[in-house]
Amino acid sequence: GAGVSQSPSNKVTEKGKDVELRCDPISGHTALYWYRQSLGQGLEFLIYFQGNSAPDKSGLPSDRFSAERTGGSVSTLTIQRTQQEDSAVYLCASSWMGTQNEQYFGPGTRLTVT
Amino acid sequence: SQQGEEDPQALSIQEGENATMNCSYKTSINNLQWYRQNSGRGLVHLILIRSNEREKHSGRLRVTLDTSKKSSSLLITASRAADTASYFCATGGTGGGNKLTFGTGTQLKVEL
Repeated sequence: GAGVSQSPSNKVTEKGKDVELRCDPISGHTALYWYRQSLGQGLEFLIYFQGNSAPDKSGLPSDRFSAERTGGSVSTLTIQRTQQEDSAVYLCASSWMGTQNEQYFGPGTRLTVT
Repeated sequence: SQQGEEDPQALSIQEGENATMNCSYKTSINNLQWYRQNSGRGLVHLILIRSNEREKHSGRLRVTLDTSKKSSSLLITASRAADTASYFCATGGTGGGNKLTFGTGTQLKVEL
């Protein structure tokens, strides 16, 4: 059916506020990834969920960032006490299980911290 | 952090010409993938080449991989104005999972 969807498409928030970004992966995909794209850093991996395994959080830039995936489907990326350097496009991707599968990306959420 | 570099950073060609983009990476990989991005938003998967493959074709796309040189190239033949986009290589590592490490990207402009 549908591809990966993300909401909101755009988010403007004030410095210090918390934000939640949502990702709905393709149905049946067991792997879910979050990436961030910013002018200064390019495309960076943030976190990876695979089935019921513990997530790989190695890309999260600080403890202000967290993510969860409920019921093996929808995922939420939360950024607490946002800073201006958090401004970026946050991209979610999903794929079938395995290490040789392409990832399908959502349209992203553009976050602007003022 | 970026896995490596892509060159050129920007490429402008005429419709009908071929476009070649190169990607270098630093660590061992399971696979290398190429993605296209329009207007700074969602990425579209183009082609995946496994570490034990040397060349792969998909329509007007041809990808090569040289693991000894840690490099890959993407060739788009008979380019069209609709191919105008940013192109990224991304490597899937050997450390488990398939988190991708992206290159810096090549901005391709195909002019009529």
